Amino acid sequence: NAGVTQTPKFQVLKTGQSMTLQCAQDMNHNSMYWYRQDPGMGLRLIYYSASEGTTDKGEVPNGYNVSRLNKREFSLRLESAAPSQTSVYFCASSEAAGESETQYFGPGTRLLVL
Amino acid sequence: QKEVEQNSGPLSVPEGAIASLNCTYSDRGSQSFFWYRQYSGKSPELIMSIYSNGDKEDGRFTAQLNKASQYVSLLIRDSQPSDSATYLCAVWGYSTLTFGKGTMLLVSP
Repeated sequence: NAGVTQTPKFQVLKTGQSMTLQCAQDMNHNSMYWYRQDPGMGLRLIYYSASEGTTDKGEVPNGYNVSRLNKREFSLRLESAAPSQTSVYFCASSEAAGESETQYFGPGTRLLVL
Repeated sequence: QKEVEQNSGPLSVPEGAIASLNCTYSDRGSQSFFWYRQYSGKSPELIMSIYSNGDKEDGRFTAQLNKASQYVSLLIRDSQPSDSATYLCAVWGYSTLTFGKGTMLLVSP
């Protein structure tokens, strides 16, 4: 039981390049989330998926797209990376769609955009 | 816009002391409250959740909630150097979790 996994662990991009961050969970959770964490800013929600087939914007969605590929997988895409997207990205999952449930976090992806 | 406020610290306590971490939130409709611990370079992990007014104890940790004052706290008894980390307060409401910026705790031997 791996919990929440994320790939890659580290990535360096040049401005304008695109990439997809992958997230998968093996806990049969309904809800999945993407956060970014910046120094002094805390964790901020980018997008979430309350259940398979649905996605919603969070606090900071601009510059990102998401895909809930199936119940296990939730990907985050940067179409044209900008230096402002340099951050640590965390994926999380929770059991109940739209309810107050514990969120379990993946190990994070550290992204540097030059 | 929901806001969750925490003192950034660092909060420095000696080993064996009680550490008190505080959090205030802006949305009176908030339903559930969580404390996460995050070690440097690692992901957040849940320590405590609390849903109703009063105290909730789990080992050395006690969470306290006062919805009238919109205040949540975390007490860590018998603090250990391994408790040194950043503690994130999180508030659930309207299908999302809003995090504070975290308080860094340093426990000195």
